[in-house]
Amino acid sequence: DTGVSQDPRHKITKRGQNVTFRCDPISEHNRLYWYRQTLGQGPEFLTYFQNEAQLEKSRLLSDRFSAERPKGSFSTLEIQRTEQGDSAMYLCASSSRGIEAFFGQGTRLTVV
Amino acid sequence: AQSVTQLGSHVSVSEGALVLLRCNYSSSVPPYLFWYVQYPNQGLQLLLKYTTGATLVKGINGFEAEFKKSETSFHLTKPSAHMSDAAEYFCAVSEYYNQGGKLIFGQGTELSVKP
Repeated sequence: DTGVSQDPRHKITKRGQNVTFRCDPISEHNRLYWYRQTLGQGPEFLTYFQNEAQLEKSRLLSDRFSAERPKGSFSTLEIQRTEQGDSAMYLCASSSRGIEAFFGQGTRLTVV
Repeated sequence: AQSVTQLGSHVSVSEGALVLLRCNYSSSVPPYLFWYVQYPNQGLQLLLKYTTGATLVKGINGFEAEFKKSETSFHLTKPSAHMSDAAEYFCAVSEYYNQGGKLIFGQGTELSVKP
């Protein structure tokens, strides 16, 4: 099953460190989305790509966050100078036509 | 702006009983509507979706939902609950043509199933 793959599944980091997450979408899906989910809440949209172009960024995506999708395939989400408030599940999703999104298992970040 | 409201953060039913999870949405254009299920420490799995056409949509695991434009609702039902249905359920709306397919989620409803 070649679903959406996220790596790592869990990350514990010290406050102030930088972290990077990777998402491999379903092959040939041209749209890729990042969401953040905090405990007891629904996922919140962060950003999305169509091919390699980043078309929208949420106001939640502060200057410490950056996302890339260099060749229109996998994507990375980097958080610089992590804060405790960044602790959350980071979810990646992909779709072929922007209608039905398939989600990965998520990366759970804990900032201590 | 789009929004989704899920009525009831926790719903508890007995095994074999009807499951009803409520969702109301707000959208300025005809919406696409979705229900996702999430098990602990897992990603989201699509249960069903409404885009156009028939307003009663059937999904996986015996779930179905009805789009009611006049009530701006998209409630999720299942005639008979199983223990394996215990999970978190999220309703979501997308304005496909305006928003590129990004999803706006509700707060979620945790479903508990009692034996």
